[in-house]
Amino acid sequence: AQSVSQHNHHVILSEAASLELGCNYSYGGTVNLFWYVQYPGQHLQLLLKYFSGDPLVKGIKGFEAEFIKSKFSFNLRKPSVQWSDTAEYFCAVSAMNNNAGNMLTFGGGTRLMVKP
Amino acid sequence: DVKVTQSSRYLVKRTGEKVFLECVQDMDHENMFWYRQDPGLGLRLIYFSYDVKMKEKGDIPEGYSVSREKKERFSLILESASTNQTSMYLCATIEGGIYGYTFGSGTRLTVV
Repeated sequence: AQSVSQHNHHVILSEAASLELGCNYSYGGTVNLFWYVQYPGQHLQLLLKYFSGDPLVKGIKGFEAEFIKSKFSFNLRKPSVQWSDTAEYFCAVSAMNNNAGNMLTFGGGTRLMVKP
Repeated sequence: DVKVTQSSRYLVKRTGEKVFLECVQDMDHENMFWYRQDPGLGLRLIYFSYDVKMKEKGDIPEGYSVSREKKERFSLILESASTNQTSMYLCATIEGGIYGYTFGSGTRLTVV
């Protein structure tokens, strides 16, 4: 079974600082990779996803993530954060399940607070 | 856009009660999922269903059961609620392998 680790549980940054959130997964086969975001009081939303091709993936709101297969990593980055990026971020991995297609396994989440 | 609707936003139940959490999707998706979300643990899969009347256990099925009588509705059942089931419950659906999940807004359940 696959597992996902997010290294930082809480991150506090000032506006305009650069962001990198770590995500490592363990799974021997082919995976699809996702980052989800949950803004305060809102439901989970897809930020970006990787299935194949260019390992540098660009998502919404200026976020990007890089898949490094040799390191089993899929770190999320943003060059300059804004106060509105305050949210909880979840990394997720899917591997093929015979019945349900792609079933997601989530990391523990990283709470980001951006100080204005 | 796909909509996933969870019937209750907040619920408070007593220990030992039978609890039903309802989830309805407005698309014809086959796959539906129930997760619980706890601080520091992320989202953990309880059960999923890949078709009507078809279900499979996720990572933490103990104390839960599910029902999928119609394609659009997937219910999570707590047979006898306990305080350690106090959590945020999220329903999700997925159209196919190349897309991400669509989540409902969640039900925050408190068992007292």
